[in-house]
Amino acid sequence: NAGVTQTPKFQVLKTGQSMTLQCAQDMNHEYMSWYRQDPGMGLRLIHYSVGAGITDQGEVPNGYNVSRSTTEDFPLRLLSAAPSQTSVYFCASRASGQNSNQPQHFGDGTRLSIL
Amino acid sequence: AQKVTQAQTEISVVEKEDVTLDCVYETRDTTYYLFWYKQPPSGELVFLIRRNSFDEQNEISGRYSWNFQKSTSSFNFTITASQVVDSAVYFCALSEAVQAGTALIFGKGTTLSVSS
Repeated sequence: NAGVTQTPKFQVLKTGQSMTLQCAQDMNHEYMSWYRQDPGMGLRLIHYSVGAGITDQGEVPNGYNVSRSTTEDFPLRLLSAAPSQTSVYFCASRASGQNSNQPQHFGDGTRLSIL
Repeated sequence: AQKVTQAQTEISVVEKEDVTLDCVYETRDTTYYLFWYKQPPSGELVFLIRRNSFDEQNEISGRYSWNFQKSTSSFNFTITASQVVDSAVYFCALSEAVQAGTALIFGKGTTLSVSS
């Protein structure tokens, strides 16, 4: 059982380049989220999705796009990378149901550097 | 608006000491969820506990215990008889009912260092 898989694990970009961070889960979870982690800032929510075709913004959505065409995948797109987007990015998923005690499952993270 | 405050940035203890990590939250919802996650030096996020706002019962799991007090909007985490393997960054997080744990608001984390 792979859980939440993020690719790539590391990436270096130049300012202005675009790229997509991939996130896939094989647990049939409806809920998925993207976070960024910066030193001294904890994790901040970028975008989240409660099901295929449904996405919403989190705390820090600017500069990022998402889509959810399938239950399994939730890619995060940087259209024009900026040095301020240098961070560690985490994807997470969770089973649906308000009263569920299932926790969020996090991927191992993608470390992204923008030069 | 939602907010989670972990006032302790860093804590250093010696093995076998007890340590409490503080978490204070703000929310306008009456139904919400609170979480603790551990991030060891290897970087992954490990789920520790989830608590619903309507369940104020404290919980103990081995050396870990959690004290949830709605009156003071706090959800503190205590490690009894700390061990070196407990060294990590610990995050407290909050989610409101409509998001049911999907969209978490994290505190900035507390770095715990346990020395032998």
